[in-house]
Amino acid sequence: KAGVTQTPRYLIKTRGQQVTLSCSPISGHRSVSWYQQTPGQGLQFLFEYFSETQRNKGNFPGRFSGRQFSNSRSEMNVSTLELGDSALYLCASSSGTGPSETQYFGPGTRLLVL
Amino acid sequence: GQNIDQPTEMTATEGAIVQINCTYQTSGFNGLFWYQQHAGEAPTFLSYNVLDGLEEKGRFSSFLSRSKGYSYLLLKELQMKDSASYLCAVRDSGNAGKSTFGDGTTLTVKP
Repeated sequence: KAGVTQTPRYLIKTRGQQVTLSCSPISGHRSVSWYQQTPGQGLQFLFEYFSETQRNKGNFPGRFSGRQFSNSRSEMNVSTLELGDSALYLCASSSGTGPSETQYFGPGTRLLVL
Repeated sequence: GQNIDQPTEMTATEGAIVQINCTYQTSGFNGLFWYQQHAGEAPTFLSYNVLDGLEEKGRFSSFLSRSKGYSYLLLKELQMKDSASYLCAVRDSGNAGKSTFGDGTTLTVKP
């Protein structure tokens, strides 16, 4: 089974721009969660999508949004980029059917905002 | 609110045993996970505990005490490749999608 894939792997943007990141989960997985990882804040939960619906949401401003398609692929969008948005963005997939389900992480997209 | 604490850094010698502690205070609890993350890579799953006690998996074991809000990850027969960050995460909702992570413990294994 192919793992979780994320594109692009690296991205450089400037302040004020917007960016879209993509995540393809493991085949059969319906839950996709997004996390932001920075040296100072660790791994912070952004949101989770399950069957095309946002099921959980973290404490990030409205500039961060996402969606999920019928094939479970998910995209995350950040508008009006700020320097502090520079981070590793990880997505994780799971079957989404129970609390014991393991989340499998993708390799991440490293975003640098200049 | 959610609060997860783990030591920032630990150092151990190849072949030795090391215990990484994690304490948590969360509004809900549906299990505790440990992940390993090598520099520049994604976290990979190590263990899951939802009931009190010890779960053993090869060189790695994880322990949970729900009443104390405490877990530890035990690594035996340390190898150089075990040098990594170890993340403690609590699943605090009724489904798989949301976990609260600690800041991670960076373990350095020396020869």
